[in-house]
Amino acid sequence: EPEVTQTPSHQVTQMGQEVILRCVPISNHLYFYWYRQILGQKVEFLVSFYNNEISEKSEIFDDQFSVERPDGSNFTLKIRSTKLEDSAMYFCASRYRDGTDTQYFGPGTRLTVL
Amino acid sequence: QKEVEQDPGPLSVPEGAIVSLNCTYSNSAFQYFMWYRQYSRKGPELLMYTYSSGNKEDGRFTAQVDKSSKYISLFIRDSQPSDSATYLCAMSVNNFNKFYFGSGTKLNVKP
Repeated sequence: EPEVTQTPSHQVTQMGQEVILRCVPISNHLYFYWYRQILGQKVEFLVSFYNNEISEKSEIFDDQFSVERPDGSNFTLKIRSTKLEDSAMYFCASRYRDGTDTQYFGPGTRLTVL
Repeated sequence: QKEVEQDPGPLSVPEGAIVSLNCTYSNSAFQYFMWYRQYSRKGPELLMYTYSSGNKEDGRFTAQVDKSSKYISLFIRDSQPSDSATYLCAMSVNNFNKFYFGSGTKLNVKP
């Protein structure tokens, strides 16, 4: 069964460093998403992406964050200058089309900012 | 007022019990309602998906949506130890963009 994959599974970085989290959505999906989940807290929407542009973003998704679909398969989340409070699980999700299809999540990348 | 409210539990039941998990919400514009299961340190896994009001059944799982009360439920029949996980409700206005998640209810099914 097709699935969303994410790399790395765990990323440790120093505060102020840039990180890129990578996702490979399901191949025929058209809509892409990033969410984060701080340990013990709820899953929070960051951004949605369709047709090579951001379609919606939350207040969390400030100028330090960017997303890109550099080729036909990858979808990346970049954090330019990481802060301690960016430590969380980051989930990528994708969905196919309009109508009844919904989002399928990857296993997540655990980001630890020291 | 939070968009989506969910009792965090934990909820502990014996094997074979019927489990009822619930969420309430404040935004009457929500049309799409999902239940996800999340095992520790894993991504949410879609269990049930419902559009608008009504019931939907899939094996041991039944999802109910009552839009008039802004209340959704997930019932698990004949619960198994493998059902032990955190259950997240999620909902959206148009199913295209932002999903709003509940905080999750941790379920423990004891053998």
